[in-house]
Amino acid sequence: SAVISQKPSRDICQRGTSLTIQCQVDSQVTMMFWYRQQPGQSLTLIATANQGSEATYESGFVIDKFPISRPNLTFSTLTVSNMSPEDSSIYLCSVVVAGRRTGELFFGEGSRLTVL
Amino acid sequence: GNSVTQMEGPVTLSEEAFLTINCTYTATGYPSLFWYVQYPGEGLQLLLKATKADDKGSNKGFEATYRKETTSFHLEKGSVQVSDSAVYFCAAGGSGNTGKLIFGQGTTLQVKP
Repeated sequence: SAVISQKPSRDICQRGTSLTIQCQVDSQVTMMFWYRQQPGQSLTLIATANQGSEATYESGFVIDKFPISRPNLTFSTLTVSNMSPEDSSIYLCSVVVAGRRTGELFFGEGSRLTVL
Repeated sequence: GNSVTQMEGPVTLSEEAFLTINCTYTATGYPSLFWYVQYPGEGLQLLLKATKADDKGSNKGFEATYRKETTSFHLEKGSVQVSDSAVYFCAAGGSGNTGKLIFGQGTTLQVKP
């Protein structure tokens, strides 16, 4: 398994500001993803975090709004830029652990953002 | 692309009742299928999985069988406990070997003593 630490665990933010969420994994991972879980809804994939290169974004998500970095195998950041109340969500880092079957994801506990 | 549909909740049961949460998927090929559980105040955890047709995943008394004929992966438990109260998510591997998962909308289960 893997222990995934996300910071912050929660925050209350003002409209128009930006916040960076950090994800640190204690194991070697092959793939890292960022998901969003809006209130009462399911998980939506934002992007695949690629080591040392630009992230791969899903339809409806763009780099200017959600810049992502992954400088090494076990660490990634997601920034939510120019926030609005619609960005109030739980943001989840997830990983595929090296040596485990692809598709079996481990999740962090999430970062709950509330935008006022 | 792939998609996953779950039965709507919330589902409210008495302790020791039988549980079924329906899940169907649409996909090209045969994706791996998963059930994740989110207990109150906690992150998502993998509950069980099946990687090919007719496989049965099982864990903590829960079971689900990969049925390609009906493109289903229904979650069952013979006797639920109050501690099973959680949100359950069905998920399917995305197209290709990308590691992505497509999630259903989640089903909230509340078990009353």
